[in-house]
Amino acid sequence: NADVMQNPRHLVRRRGQEARLRCSPMKGHSHVYWYRQLPEEGLKFMVYLQKENIIDESGMPKERFSAEFPKEGPSILRIQQVVRGDSAAYFCASSPWATNEKLFFGSGTQLSVL
Amino acid sequence: QKEVEQDPGPLSVPEGAIVSLNCTYSNSAFQYFMWYRQYSRKGPELLMYTYSSGNKEDGRFTAQVDKSSKYISLFIRDSQPSDSATYLCAMTLTSGTYKYIFGTGTRLKVLA
Repeated sequence: NADVMQNPRHLVRRRGQEARLRCSPMKGHSHVYWYRQLPEEGLKFMVYLQKENIIDESGMPKERFSAEFPKEGPSILRIQQVVRGDSAAYFCASSPWATNEKLFFGSGTQLSVL
Repeated sequence: QKEVEQDPGPLSVPEGAIVSLNCTYSNSAFQYFMWYRQYSRKGPELLMYTYSSGNKEDGRFTAQVDKSSKYISLFIRDSQPSDSATYLCAMTLTSGTYKYIFGTGTRLKVLA
């Protein structure tokens, strides 16, 4: 869904560098979800955020990964000191309400770690 | 064993064929079942959303849930080349939750 904007579309990082992935939700949506799609695996939930709050980060690795959704600007998923295993497609989704079954997904960011 | 199993394909069919896509799952507590379509280099797009067992129809698409067999299906009638995409099943325990469990997807090719 083109209305959920993710950038960059492709990101190449060397091991040990930082990766910053951005997501602008659909207009009027204040709930953002990040999912990761590893090769040969299904999409897996990482974190759920509302404006300025992390609601559920139970799917996020405990180290090196962090997410924010500030009052102004896009949601950011940050991966510090990337490793090859972080290579994946990262999708952001948004919804207008907290309990809406329909999530609108962005086109994703493909992260490649060399 | 994965919670949700889906044949990766690719599945190639001629235009106009009836397509059957399937997922099996292990957790009998799943209540809500979804099918997403994902075109190449795009995000998933919700096609069908069903609750518990039974059928749901929307145009050329029919979703079927058999909870006794832990098996869900998506049927596409009169398939078109524009249906060529990866189809993901997803399921969850309760309504409105964002913690979907996704299958790995089946790649479908509809040949003109």
